[in-house]
Amino acid sequence: EVQLLESGGGLVQPGGSLRLSCAVSGFIFDTHVMSWVRQAPGKGLEWVSTIGSSGASTFYADSVKGRATISRDNSNNMFYLQMNNVRAEDTAVYYCAKGKSGYPYYFDFWGQGILVTVSS
Amino acid sequence: IHMTQSPSSVSASVGDRVTISCRASQGIDNWLAWYQHKPGKVPKLLIYAASILQDGVPSRFSGSESGTDFTLTINSLQPEDFGTYYCQQTNSFPLTFGGGTKVEIK
Repeated sequence: EVQLLESGGGLVQPGGSLRLSCAVSGFIFDTHVMSWVRQAPGKGLEWVSTIGSSGASTFYADSVKGRATISRDNSNNMFYLQMNNVRAEDTAVYYCAKGKSGYPYYFDFWGQGILVTVSS
Repeated sequence: IHMTQSPSSVSASVGDRVTISCRASQGIDNWLAWYQHKPGKVPKLLIYAASILQDGVPSRFSGSESGTDFTLTINSLQPEDFGTYYCQQTNSFPLTFGGGTKVEIK
């Protein structure tokens, strides 16, 4: 059974940093592209970042470029999103998502989501 | 690439046919997916590559394309089909979602 579980959310002060983690199981992790997607309160889905299967390729939304770093640890089936200099508009539920085999930028499995609140 | 969904909301009765549109601001071939998102649940992939049904998704869902216009059709709406539906283009980065269409059951 494919499972993804986020951790690391919570309350962060503006200008602060956060590191989200996603633990995965139930599939061959190091052959899949992984992504982060977020949903701000009352808003729609927003793609945040994607990392290739080896970690060599990374992509970011303009809204987080320069402030976010996506990474992965294939030996431990984990991937991460580090965000610095967070802003109020980063407040959202963050989902980690698995890329579909053969179609890596379609998300066929999602974590339950974790809330990040940026506020003083 | 900007994805424009319409309508923003729709209210329909059980058994109705519901169509949701998504227009891409430029050509994306068939690099489009549809997701269903219910409150308190995780988004669910329904259709990818514009018209391929994801495993386990009921056949009343279907997708089609015409140039930069894409359509999600729900034939014979069921009570469990409520939620917000999003299109997503994967033709190029940054990946983008449409604004969503909220489907309510009358």
